Amino acid sequence: DVKVTQSSRYLVKRTGEKVFLECVQDMDHENMFWYRQDPGLGLRLIYFSYDVKMKEKGDIPEGYSVSREKKERFSLILESASTNQTSMYLCASSLASGSHNEQYFGPGTRLTVT
Amino acid sequence: AQSVSQHNHHVILSEAASLELGCNYSYGGTVNLFWYVQSPGQGLQLLLKYFSGDTLVQGIKGFEAEFKRSQSSFNLRKPSVHWSDAAEYFCAVGASQGAQKLVFGQGTRLTINP
Repeated sequence: DVKVTQSSRYLVKRTGEKVFLECVQDMDHENMFWYRQDPGLGLRLIYFSYDVKMKEKGDIPEGYSVSREKKERFSLILESASTNQTSMYLCASSLASGSHNEQYFGPGTRLTVT
Repeated sequence: AQSVSQHNHHVILSEAASLELGCNYSYGGTVNLFWYVQSPGQGLQLLLKYFSGDTLVQGIKGFEAEFKRSQSSFNLRKPSVHWSDAAEYFCAVGASQGAQKLVFGQGTRLTINP
């Protein structure tokens, strides 16, 4: 089974802190994604990566950056956390071909910025 | 722009009632369609998917969905819900060719009354 793990289930940070959210997948998937989930808004794509060191902005990239130095790991970085970034963050991965875009999700990180 | 609409934001059913959740999409081209389920505090799990062929697809946990191209719809159904089906359900659409991204609907929360 594909396994996508996220470094923390719950995280509390202060305004202005630099925050790192880590995601690791164990199935050699080329694509990795970061979403944020807010009530009534569904999942919104922040960034995705289709290869090591490659990244592409999603629908809401402002205030975030990403890093993909190894194929299995995709990090989301909040350079200076703000209260409006309090949310659930979900990581996902998928194969580049032959999978019809099916994505596999991690358990999520609930981030609170105070 | 691509979009997915789930018209029911919150559905309340009694156990053993039948379920139908609506999903309509706007997408210029051939699509792959998905339904995911999210239990409280968890990541998303794939329920079922449609790529091509038979427009009625079967998924896990007794769920099915029907693709209607003329209506741009992919509604989720279950003949008899169980208390364990209480969760949030997300419809998603992706292009059959090219971009690997998915667009998600806003989600439908399902509550089951005993």
